Amino acid sequence: DTGVSQDPRHKITKRGQNVTFRCDPISEHNRLYWYRQTLGQGPEFLTYFQNEAQLEKSRLLSDRFSAERPKGSFSTLEIQRTEQGDSAMYLCASSSTWLAGGHSYNEQFFGPGTRLTVL
Amino acid sequence: AQTVTQSQPEMSVQEAETVTLSCTYDTSESNYYLFWYKQPPSRQMILVIRQEAYKQQNATENRFSVNFQKAAKSFSLKISDSQLGDTAMYFCAFMKQVKPGNQFYFGTGTSLTVIP
Repeated sequence: DTGVSQDPRHKITKRGQNVTFRCDPISEHNRLYWYRQTLGQGPEFLTYFQNEAQLEKSRLLSDRFSAERPKGSFSTLEIQRTEQGDSAMYLCASSSTWLAGGHSYNEQFFGPGTRLTVL
Repeated sequence: AQTVTQSQPEMSVQEAETVTLSCTYDTSESNYYLFWYKQPPSRQMILVIRQEAYKQQNATENRFSVNFQKAAKSFSLKISDSQLGDTAMYFCAFMKQVKPGNQFYFGTGTSLTVIP
């Protein structure tokens, strides 16, 4: 396992179409995150899974967006009825948490992202 | 709400010189973590350095070090002996622990160019 992978790397679609992205985290990581990054901005948090449970959802995640992580392994992010404003890089990250000295540590590893262009 | 501010959209440095990237953050949390991530052109984001808020000692990773000023809510990154491979976008990030998970907030980034 060499890291977080995402598929596809690029997606061009027409407005109104549905798209689905996949993220395969590092195998031993129980936490998985989705972010959106637009040009000139830092990543914006979308949602977070711990194992198969979706524990956090940003207000950025409208009802056209849905994410799943069946069996706590890979995750999918679906955007329905895409809009031009959805054009962005969608990043996935995974992490594990460990305890040391009474504190917990968490380090995220990012995938290469899926660049979405909505025409 | 947590905010992370990087006030330098672009910076450049001569190869082998030292450069400092600024980051400030706003939070009411006492237990949190700070990170610097590097995103080379068309490549994925990688962690450069991490600082735990409860630690007074500044983190160091080879040529990378931070100046963590908790009271001032400042977290700058110093890159010594800059190399061409350091050319990238650098993002400052803040993480707070919210049971059962945690939340990450990123700044808008600083584009660093190392000039040969």
